[in-house]
Amino acid sequence: GENVEQHPSTLSVQEGDSAVIKCTYSDSASNYFPWYKQELGKRPQLIIDIRSNVGEKKDQRIAVTLNKTAKHFSLHITETQPEDSAVYFCAPQGDYKLSFGAGTTVTVRA
Amino acid sequence: DVKVTQSSRYLVKRTGEKVFLECVQDMDHENMFWYRQDPGLGLRLIYFSYDVKMKEKGDIPEGYSVSREKKERFSLILESASTNQTSMYLCATGWRGLGSPLHFGNGTRLTVT
Repeated sequence: GENVEQHPSTLSVQEGDSAVIKCTYSDSASNYFPWYKQELGKRPQLIIDIRSNVGEKKDQRIAVTLNKTAKHFSLHITETQPEDSAVYFCAPQGDYKLSFGAGTTVTVRA
Repeated sequence: DVKVTQSSRYLVKRTGEKVFLECVQDMDHENMFWYRQDPGLGLRLIYFSYDVKMKEKGDIPEGYSVSREKKERFSLILESASTNQTSMYLCATGWRGLGSPLHFGNGTRLTVT
Protein backbone atom coordinates (compact mmCIF):
# COMPACT_ATOMS: atom_id res chain seq x y z
CA GLY A 1 0.00 0.00 0.00
CA GLU A 2 0.90 3.64 -0.02
CA ASN A 3 3.58 4.79 2.40
CA VAL A 4 2.23 7.73 4.41
CA GLU A 5 4.20 9.60 7.04
CA GLN A 6 3.10 12.41 9.30
CA HIS A 7 5.36 14.78 11.19
CA PRO A 8 5.50 15.61 13.98
CA SER A 9 3.82 12.82 15.91
CA THR A 10 3.05 15.19 18.79
CA LEU A 11 2.77 18.96 18.85
CA SER A 12 2.26 21.24 21.83
CA VAL A 13 1.46 24.89 21.13
CA GLN A 14 0.51 27.92 23.17
CA GLU A 15 -3.04 29.10 22.65
CA GLY A 16 -3.07 31.68 19.89
CA ASP A 17 0.02 30.31 18.15
CA SER A 18 0.04 28.43 14.85
CA ALA A 19 0.40 24.70 14.26
CA VAL A 20 1.66 22.95 11.13
CA ILE A 21 1.51 19.24 10.39
CA LYS A 22 3.17 17.74 7.34
CA CYS A 23 2.15 14.59 5.49
CA THR A 24 4.37 12.87 2.93
CA TYR A 25 3.18 10.10 0.65
CA SER A 26 4.68 7.76 -1.93
CA ASP A 27 1.97 7.15 -4.54
CA SER A 28 2.35 9.67 -7.35
CA ALA A 29 -1.19 8.76 -8.50
CA SER A 30 -2.70 10.28 -5.35
CA ASN A 31 -5.05 13.09 -6.25
CA TYR A 32 -7.22 13.66 -3.19
CA PHE A 33 -5.74 14.93 0.08
CA PRO A 34 -7.98 15.13 3.15
CA TRP A 35 -7.29 15.87 6.78
CA TYR A 36 -9.35 14.32 9.57
CA LYS A 37 -9.66 15.43 13.17
CA GLN A 38 -10.40 13.01 15.98
CA GLU A 39 -11.27 14.42 19.37
CA LEU A 40 -10.82 12.21 22.42
CA GLY A 41 -13.40 9.42 22.46
CA LYS A 42 -14.99 10.50 19.19
CA ARG A 43 -14.95 9.43 15.56
CA PRO A 44 -12.59 10.97 12.99
CA GLN A 45 -14.23 13.74 10.98
CA LEU A 46 -13.15 15.48 7.82
CA ILE A 47 -12.03 19.06 8.46
CA ILE A 48 -10.54 20.08 5.14
CA ASP A 49 -9.50 18.51 1.85
CA ILE A 50 -7.80 19.49 -1.36
CA ARG A 51 -7.63 18.06 -4.83
CA SER A 52 -4.58 17.83 -7.01
CA ASN A 53 -5.53 20.66 -9.32
CA VAL A 54 -5.38 23.13 -6.41
CA GLY A 55 -2.31 24.24 -4.46
CA GLU A 56 -3.94 25.73 -1.38
CA LYS A 57 -7.31 25.85 0.29
CA LYS A 58 -8.40 27.80 3.33
CA ASP A 59 -11.40 27.54 5.63
CA GLN A 60 -11.38 30.12 8.42
CA ARG A 61 -8.48 29.21 10.73
CA ILE A 62 -7.41 26.06 8.91
CA ALA A 63 -5.67 25.67 5.58
CA VAL A 64 -4.14 22.90 3.53
CA THR A 65 -1.26 23.33 1.10
CA LEU A 66 -0.19 20.78 -1.49
CA ASN A 67 3.12 20.17 -3.20
CA LYS A 68 2.51 17.34 -5.67
CA THR A 69 6.03 17.46 -7.07
CA ALA A 70 7.54 16.81 -3.65
CA LYS A 71 4.63 14.55 -2.65
CA HIS A 72 3.63 16.24 0.54
CA PHE A 73 0.77 18.31 1.88
CA SER A 74 0.39 20.22 5.11
CA LEU A 75 -2.29 21.27 7.56
CA HIS A 76 -2.03 24.77 8.99
CA ILE A 77 -4.01 25.92 12.01
CA THR A 78 -3.77 29.58 12.96
CA GLU A 79 -4.79 31.26 16.22
CA THR A 80 -5.08 27.90 17.94
CA GLN A 81 -7.77 27.41 20.55
CA PRO A 82 -8.29 24.71 23.22
CA GLU A 83 -10.89 22.99 21.04
CA ASP A 84 -8.17 22.37 18.44
CA SER A 85 -6.62 19.81 20.81
CA ALA A 86 -7.12 16.47 19.05
CA VAL A 87 -5.42 13.86 16.89
CA TYR A 88 -5.12 14.83 13.23
CA PHE A 89 -4.77 12.31 10.39
CA CYS A 90 -3.88 12.76 6.77
CA ALA A 91 -5.22 10.22 4.25
CA PRO A 92 -3.94 10.73 0.69
CA GLN A 93 -6.01 8.82 -1.82
CA GLY A 94 -4.95 7.46 -5.20
CA ASP A 95 -7.45 4.65 -5.70
CA TYR A 96 -10.18 3.00 -3.69
CA LYS A 97 -7.88 2.32 -0.78
CA LEU A 98 -7.27 5.01 1.76
CA SER A 99 -4.04 4.88 3.73
CA PHE A 100 -3.91 6.98 6.85
CA GLY A 101 -0.91 8.53 8.49
CA ALA A 102 -0.13 7.49 12.07
CA GLY A 103 -1.62 10.70 13.40
CA THR A 104 -0.41 13.88 15.11
CA THR A 105 -1.53 14.62 18.65
CA VAL A 106 -1.97 18.37 19.03
CA THR A 107 -2.22 19.89 22.49
CA VAL A 108 -3.10 23.54 22.85
CA ARG A 109 -1.87 25.00 26.14
CA ALA A 110 -4.00 27.71 27.72
CA ASP B 1 -26.55 14.00 7.70
CA VAL B 2 -24.78 10.70 7.10
CA LYS B 3 -25.39 8.06 9.71
CA VAL B 4 -22.96 5.18 10.14
CA THR B 5 -23.99 2.86 12.93
CA GLN B 6 -21.83 0.22 14.52
CA SER B 7 -23.77 -2.38 16.42
CA SER B 8 -21.75 -2.34 19.63
CA ARG B 9 -19.73 0.32 21.40
CA TYR B 10 -17.94 -2.17 23.66
CA LEU B 11 -17.44 -5.92 23.29
CA VAL B 12 -15.60 -8.42 25.45
CA LYS B 13 -14.91 -11.83 23.94
CA ARG B 14 -12.85 -14.84 24.81
CA THR B 15 -9.92 -16.20 22.82
CA GLY B 16 -11.13 -18.55 20.10
CA GLU B 17 -14.64 -17.13 19.87
CA LYS B 18 -16.12 -16.10 16.53
CA VAL B 19 -16.88 -12.39 16.60
CA PHE B 20 -19.16 -10.36 14.35
CA LEU B 21 -18.91 -6.58 14.10
CA GLU B 22 -21.73 -4.96 12.19
CA CYS B 23 -21.85 -1.65 10.38
CA VAL B 24 -24.92 -0.08 8.79
CA GLN B 25 -25.12 3.13 6.78
CA ASP B 26 -28.10 5.10 5.56
CA MET B 27 -26.56 7.12 2.72
CA ASP B 28 -26.50 4.55 -0.09
CA HIS B 29 -22.71 4.82 -0.24
CA GLU B 30 -21.03 2.31 -2.50
CA ASN B 31 -17.76 2.11 -0.55
CA MET B 32 -17.45 0.70 2.93
CA PHE B 33 -14.29 0.17 4.97
CA TRP B 34 -13.13 -1.50 8.16
CA TYR B 35 -10.17 -0.03 10.03
CA ARG B 36 -8.56 -0.84 13.31
CA GLN B 37 -7.04 1.90 15.41
CA ASP B 38 -4.19 1.30 17.83
CA PRO B 39 -2.11 3.91 19.71
CA GLY B 40 0.81 5.15 17.65
CA LEU B 41 -0.24 3.19 14.57
CA GLY B 42 -3.07 5.33 13.27
CA LEU B 43 -5.86 3.74 11.28
CA ARG B 44 -4.95 0.57 9.44
CA LEU B 45 -7.20 -0.77 6.70
CA ILE B 46 -8.41 -4.33 7.21
CA TYR B 47 -10.88 -4.80 4.33
CA PHE B 48 -13.00 -2.68 2.08
CA SER B 49 -15.89 -3.16 -0.29
CA TYR B 50 -16.96 -1.05 -3.26
CA ASP B 51 -20.15 -2.95 -4.05
CA VAL B 52 -22.47 -5.63 -2.78
CA LYS B 53 -20.72 -9.01 -2.54
CA MET B 54 -17.41 -7.38 -3.48
CA LYS B 55 -14.49 -7.24 -1.08
CA GLU B 56 -10.86 -6.29 -1.24
CA LYS B 57 -8.06 -6.91 1.23
CA GLY B 58 -6.55 -3.94 2.94
CA ASP B 59 -3.17 -3.74 4.59
CA ILE B 60 -3.81 -6.12 7.52
CA PRO B 61 -6.47 -8.70 6.50
CA GLU B 62 -4.97 -11.68 8.32
CA GLY B 63 -7.33 -13.17 10.88
CA TYR B 64 -10.34 -11.29 9.51
CA SER B 65 -13.02 -11.79 6.90
CA VAL B 66 -15.92 -9.62 5.75
CA SER B 67 -19.38 -9.94 4.32
CA ARG B 68 -21.46 -7.51 2.30
CA GLU B 69 -24.75 -9.09 1.34
CA LYS B 70 -26.65 -5.79 1.25
CA LYS B 71 -25.44 -2.40 0.20
CA GLU B 72 -26.09 -0.77 3.55
CA ARG B 73 -24.43 -3.42 5.73
CA PHE B 74 -20.77 -4.41 6.02
CA SER B 75 -19.76 -7.02 8.56
CA LEU B 76 -16.32 -7.76 9.94
CA ILE B 77 -15.76 -11.30 11.17
CA LEU B 78 -13.04 -12.54 13.45
CA GLU B 79 -13.09 -16.29 12.80
CA SER B 80 -11.18 -17.15 15.99
CA ALA B 81 -10.51 -14.14 18.16
CA SER B 82 -7.03 -13.69 19.58
CA THR B 83 -5.68 -11.29 22.19
CA ASN B 84 -3.73 -9.33 19.55
CA GLN B 85 -7.06 -8.39 17.99
CA THR B 86 -7.95 -6.32 21.02
CA SER B 87 -8.41 -2.90 19.45
CA MET B 88 -10.78 -0.13 18.42
CA TYR B 89 -12.56 -1.02 15.19
CA LEU B 90 -13.91 1.76 12.99
CA CYS B 91 -16.27 1.40 10.07
CA ALA B 92 -16.31 4.08 7.38
CA THR B 93 -18.32 4.74 4.24
CA GLY B 94 -18.00 6.93 1.16
CA TRP B 95 -19.15 7.48 -2.40
CA ARG B 96 -17.49 5.55 -5.16
CA GLY B 97 -14.90 7.47 -7.07
CA LEU B 98 -11.87 9.44 -6.17
CA GLY B 99 -12.11 12.39 -3.89
CA SER B 100 -14.89 11.19 -1.66
CA PRO B 101 -14.43 11.87 2.06
CA LEU B 102 -15.07 9.11 4.57
CA HIS B 103 -17.83 9.10 7.17
CA PHE B 104 -17.00 7.09 10.27
CA GLY B 105 -19.04 5.18 12.79
CA ASN B 106 -18.48 5.68 16.51
CA GLY B 107 -16.26 2.63 16.74
CA THR B 108 -16.36 -0.68 18.61
CA ARG B 109 -13.87 -1.23 21.40
CA LEU B 110 -13.17 -4.96 21.33
CA THR B 111 -11.34 -6.69 24.15
CA VAL B 112 -10.29 -10.30 23.71
CA THR B 113 -9.37 -12.07 26.95
